Amino acid sequence: KQEVTQIPAALSVPEGENLVLNCSFTDSAIYNLQWFRQDPGKGLTSLLLIQSSQREQTSGRLNASLDKSSGRSTLYIAASQPGDSATYLCAVRRWEYGNKLVFGAGTILRVKS
Amino acid sequence: GAVVSQHPSRVICKSGTSVKIECRSLDFQATTMFWYRQFPKQSLMLMATSNEGSKATYEQGVEKDKFLINHASLTLSTLTVTSAHPEDSSFYICSARRRGGYEQYFGPGTRLTVT
Repeated sequence: KQEVTQIPAALSVPEGENLVLNCSFTDSAIYNLQWFRQDPGKGLTSLLLIQSSQREQTSGRLNASLDKSSGRSTLYIAASQPGDSATYLCAVRRWEYGNKLVFGAGTILRVKS
Repeated sequence: GAVVSQHPSRVICKSGTSVKIECRSLDFQATTMFWYRQFPKQSLMLMATSNEGSKATYEQGVEKDKFLINHASLTLSTLTVTSAHPEDSSFYICSARRRGGYEQYFGPGTRLTVT
């Protein structure tokens, strides 16, 4: 059974700091991995999607890496801003299992101004 | 494109009553919709997968007679929580997927409180 773990569970940083969020998964046979952002009481916004054959994806100040063999992904946020405060979720997808997403519990990020 | 809406955004109901939550894909046809439940500070847990025109597939441990899912059209799926109890209070999120695609587009969620 696939399990996804995110570390740390919560993180508080001053504005402008670069930070790394970690995601690990137990079964490396994934189709792709996706990072989402969730604001309090809201739905999910997709940030980055990395295919299993890719090593990283970038979007603006965000960079996500994937090491499938070791079951790890990181989300790097450069020059953090108060508007980045949210919960960040990673999820892995396996094609065979009906294309279902398995989510981690998330990292709650607070960027202080 | 790929906008998903949910209605209502918040609902409070009394214990023992039923409540219906709607999930709509506004600008695309969703052949598959997913329903998730999220408890405070926990991750999203998949409850069921529904394909248009067929019965939903429920995850292990989810009572299909309690959580009725209908996917009657390519743009609408509904989740009905029957005989709701306080422990059903949670945040319910749906997502929708296009035919042949794999990416899921998420709705904004519905906060259910059962008193």
